[in-house]
Amino acid sequence: AQKVTQAQTEISVVEKEDVTLDCVYETRDTTYYLFWYKQPPSGELVFLIRRNSFDEQNEISGRYSWNFQKSTSSFNFTITASQVVDSAVYFCALSEARIGGSRLTFGEGTQLTVNP
Amino acid sequence: ETGVTQSPTHLIKTRGQQVTLRCSSQSGHNTVSWYQQALGQGPQFIFQYYREEENGRGNFPPRFSGLQFPNYSSELNVNALELDDSALYLCASSTEVQGPEAFFGQGTRLTVV
Repeated sequence: AQKVTQAQTEISVVEKEDVTLDCVYETRDTTYYLFWYKQPPSGELVFLIRRNSFDEQNEISGRYSWNFQKSTSSFNFTITASQVVDSAVYFCALSEARIGGSRLTFGEGTQLTVNP
Repeated sequence: ETGVTQSPTHLIKTRGQQVTLRCSSQSGHNTVSWYQQALGQGPQFIFQYYREEENGRGNFPPRFSGLQFPNYSSELNVNALELDDSALYLCASSTEVQGPEAFFGQGTRLTVV
């Protein structure tokens, strides 16, 4: 069975602070995918990034960066110089590689509040 | 804008009634997945349709059923509604050609009273 744990339920920071959202996962699959999604108050889940299990290269996209460590089953997400618009619920998700499309197992989410 | 649209956006139903939720997938996407998100929780996988066939189901009872049409749009039907069915229902579309990531609609907020 697959499981995703986001231990931080809520995080509150002041604008321009850096913040890291933690994600730990469990799976027996040798090939799998990891994702981060952002859910603003409007409710729509916005895709941010996908990593393949065989690609541990970290990635940076603007103020966002992701650290994937297979040895510790973690896929952490860092926002540098946070902004008020970053306030949202962030979900980490996991899917095995399967025909037809991903079947996502989500964590419980981390509510990030960035205060001005 | 993901190109995935859901209707209606909000719905109020009475316990015991039936409901149909609709999803129009992004152009070219042949896979549609449905998720239920209770308040304050992460989305839970209900089922997936791939090329009009069910392609996996989560831990939901048979009163949750679905369809995918030749144009790859989809419906989620829930019979005998219960109070615990109150949730945000999210539809996601994807295609293997573009990768495993799924793109979500804005959701349908269902309230059962």
